[in-house]
Amino acid sequence: QVQLQESGPGLVKPSETLSLTCNVSGESIINKYWSWIRQPPGKGLEWVGCIYISGKTDYNPSLKGRVTISVDTSKNQLSLQLRSVTAADTAVYYCARDPGTIFGMVNYFDYWGQGRLVTVSS
Amino acid sequence: QSVLTQPPSASGTPGQTVTVSCSGSGSNIGSNSVYWYQHLPGAAPKLLIYRSNRRPSGVPDRFSGSKSGTSASLAISGLRSEDEADYYCAAWDDSGHNYVFGTGTMVTVL
Repeated sequence: QVQLQESGPGLVKPSETLSLTCNVSGESIINKYWSWIRQPPGKGLEWVGCIYISGKTDYNPSLKGRVTISVDTSKNQLSLQLRSVTAADTAVYYCARDPGTIFGMVNYFDYWGQGRLVTVSS
Repeated sequence: QSVLTQPPSASGTPGQTVTVSCSGSGSNIGSNSVYWYQHLPGAAPKLLIYRSNRRPSGVPDRFSGSKSGTSASLAISGLRSEDEADYYCAAWDDSGHNYVFGTGTMVTVL
């Protein structure tokens, strides 16, 4: 059974960097594609970005320049860094799996973490 | 803001059929598959429909999806109290090179 669990600080100061980790169990992280998705309070879901099997990344254009997604294969973990945060970055952040293969992503998410609320405030 | 538009709310009584619409454009729904997620408060979103009309194993056949042109819809038949949740459509958008979610629809069981 694939399980994902987000962790990281729940409070980040404005202008600082938000850093989250997603621990993946039940699946080797190098076999699939992984995304971060967020939901601001009272709002809808927003795709943050993804990392491919090849290590290539894609990011939401609205966040480009501030976001980095990476993997640590030795720890089977996915990471998110979002720089220069503002109150608008306050959200529940989810990590999720795209069950695609080496032939490509399937563009849906079949396993999700429970989410981590990150509040940006001084 | 989202490029996929959904009605903010929909409702029905137990046993009824509720339909949630999702309107997009040629660069997303018009040229790619549509996905539907159910999101209960405090829980992780759950995949309900993939490739516009397919159900993952374990999803009841009360949930069905369809797509026509640049619009898609999710139908929930035999509505149950446990279906009360937020529902989101989603698709890859070619022009923005971006995965987009719909604005979300809150389904209420009266």
